[in-house]
Amino acid sequence: AQSVAQPEDQVNVAEGNPLTVKCTYSVSGNPYLFWYVQYPNRGLQFLLKYITGDNLVKGSYGFEAEFNKSQTSFHLKKPSALVSDSALYFCAVREDYAGNNRKLIWGLGTSLAVNP
Amino acid sequence: NAGVTQTPKFQVLKTGQSMTLQCAQDMNHEYMSWYRQDPGMGLRLIHYSVGAGITDQGEVPNGYNVSRSTTEDFPLRLLSAAPSQTSVYFCASSRSGRRTDTQYFGPGTRLTVL
Repeated sequence: AQSVAQPEDQVNVAEGNPLTVKCTYSVSGNPYLFWYVQYPNRGLQFLLKYITGDNLVKGSYGFEAEFNKSQTSFHLKKPSALVSDSALYFCAVREDYAGNNRKLIWGLGTSLAVNP
Repeated sequence: NAGVTQTPKFQVLKTGQSMTLQCAQDMNHEYMSWYRQDPGMGLRLIHYSVGAGITDQGEVPNGYNVSRSTTEDFPLRLLSAAPSQTSVYFCASSRSGRRTDTQYFGPGTRLTVL
């Protein structure tokens, strides 16, 4: 069965330090992986996705994510965190399935707090 | 483009009342969906639609109905509200529902059922 795990409920980092938000997945075929961000009292916004090709994907607001097939991970990273990055981050996966399956499987979210 | 819009932003209902949450998109997207977001449970899919006239159930469809008479609109109906339906509801759309498509989310409706 497909699944996504975000092992950390909360991540705290100091402003200016690098940040990592972890995501691991389990699918039976090739994965399509997504990161979304939710700012307080807002809907989710797309950050980046991995479909195929280069394992390092660059996205919005200076974020990037590294796809690691052997470790089944897709960790979100940013070299220098900003206080404005404080938000809830969701990882999601969709299986490379040829049928009529358009559902995303979502992680439970990781709350990122960037301290000034 | 306004993107995905949802109304109302907030709603309080009494147990047993019915209501409709509105969702509209102006991007000509084929695929639309409804999620609920609850603390500690992430996003759970309620219903989805792959085009006008076509809907299907998600993970947690009980107590909710949907219809898709136009490409733009995808309302969610609560038939008889229960306290367990207190949640934040998000509508989302994507261009075609292909596996690689990005979803676009509305701002959400915060529903409280007393």
